[in-house]
Amino acid sequence: DGGITQSPKYLFRKEGQNVTLSCEQNLNHDAMYWYRQDPGQGLRLIYYSQIVNDFQKGDIAEGYSVSREKKESFPLTVTSAQKNPTAFYLCASSFSENTEAFFGQGTRLTVV
Amino acid sequence: GQNIDQPTEMTATEGAIVQINCTYQTSGFNGLFWYQQHAGEAPTFLSYNVLDGLEEKGRFSSFLSRSKGYSYLLLKELQMKDSASYLCAVLDSNYQLIWGAGTKLIIKP
Repeated sequence: DGGITQSPKYLFRKEGQNVTLSCEQNLNHDAMYWYRQDPGQGLRLIYYSQIVNDFQKGDIAEGYSVSREKKESFPLTVTSAQKNPTAFYLCASSFSENTEAFFGQGTRLTVV
Repeated sequence: GQNIDQPTEMTATEGAIVQINCTYQTSGFNGLFWYQQHAGEAPTFLSYNVLDGLEEKGRFSSFLSRSKGYSYLLLKELQMKDSASYLCAVLDSNYQLIWGAGTKLIIKP
C-alpha cells in the first residue's frame, strides 16, 4: 500500500534536547513538506523539498533543520534553538506543486 | 500580506446541508484546495478548483469565484462522521500553499 508514514505519533523530550521526526513515503513523489499546526492557526510551512539533495526554508524555518538524501525520506530535526517546539507536526508529499498533498498521521511533540 | 479567512466554527444538523465559506487575498492564484481533518489526524484531500464554477463530488461540492477571491465547500446530507475541521488553502504565484485556520464543523443529531 502506498502512503506516507510519520513516526512516532507522540514524542516527549526535555527542553534543550534536539529531536528528529521521521517521514517516509513510497508514493514516488518528488515534493515533500513539513508543516507545523498550532491551535487556531493555519498550517505553517517549515521546510520543503522539490528534489533529492535540495530543500528550501519555509515561513518558520528558524530552529529546525532537514535533509533529503533519498527521495523517500525527509526527516525533520527540532533543535534546542526552537523557542516553542511543542506542536503537532505534519509531513506531506505531492507529485508536483499543483497537485494534492498526501499527509502523514502527524507527530505530536511535547517538550517539557 | 496574504490572508485566508474562514469561520472558526459552524454547527449543523444531521441530514441537512451546510456551506463553509473561504475568502482569500493572496499574491497570485494557482488554485484552491479543500481538506478535511478529523481531530488529531492528518488532513485528507477533498477538492481542487482552479477555474470558476462548481465542482461536484458526491455529497461534497466546491465553488470558486476568482474575481471575488471566494470559495465555498457545500456538504449535503450531513452525517455524524462529517464532524471535522475543513481547511481551505490557496496556491499562490510562487506555488506556495497558504492555509486558512480551518472551520470546525459540529454535527448534531
